[in-house]
Amino acid sequence: EIVLTQSPGTLSLSPGERATLSCRASQSVSSSYLAWYQQKPGQAPRLLIYGASSRATGIPDRFSGSGSGTDFTLTISRLEPEDFAVYYCQQYGSSPVTFGQGTKVEIK
Amino acid sequence: QVQLQESGPGLVKPSGTLSLTCAVSGGSISSSNWWSWVRQPPGKGLEWIGEIYHSGSTNYNPSLKSRVTISVDKSKNQFSLKLSSVTAADTAVYYCAAYQLLSPIDYWGQGTLVTVSS
Repeated sequence: EIVLTQSPGTLSLSPGERATLSCRASQSVSSSYLAWYQQKPGQAPRLLIYGASSRATGIPDRFSGSGSGTDFTLTISRLEPEDFAVYYCQQYGSSPVTFGQGTKVEIK
Repeated sequence: QVQLQESGPGLVKPSGTLSLTCAVSGGSISSSNWWSWVRQPPGKGLEWIGEIYHSGSTNYNPSLKSRVTISVDKSKNQFSLKLSSVTAADTAVYYCAAYQLLSPIDYWGQGTLVTVSS
């Protein structure tokens, strides 16, 4: 099983600032089958990024993903009020599918 | 646009069996999607439970495999989850989900909270 470790656990930032979230895998994620999701309280997760760097339909270009192998990053270039949420990475290249434990982006 | 809706008891007794159904609308369960269950304990992260294809082929999380059964009902365009011998640790919001092979999760249900308590 591939274990995904996200850091930091919590990120305290102000609107307009840049957010950098990390996801590290215990072994290489095949073909960059790495996704990022955003989850707000009481809602299902929403797909942001797939294939490590491709934005899902309708996702603003302030969200970007990068990385390969075992190290991946989600960057939010300028935080909007609606971006304060919990973010999860997921690998879907090997079974079982696994998720990171999440990074909470909170308002400073 | 596929839509998913979970249904089932919100309260299950310890040692009992948790049973949930996911109704699929806006598409056929016999399409090329894999149909899946993901759960989230209160205040915690996401855990993939398992998946099924319309052919009946299944894959389960090894951590739950001995207690999980996922099945599909083509006539009703729905799929189901059964989790046996539940404990308080199985209390969670259970989501049904759908995706293509080797793809991220495109579609999520709204989630349903299942509490294990006597």
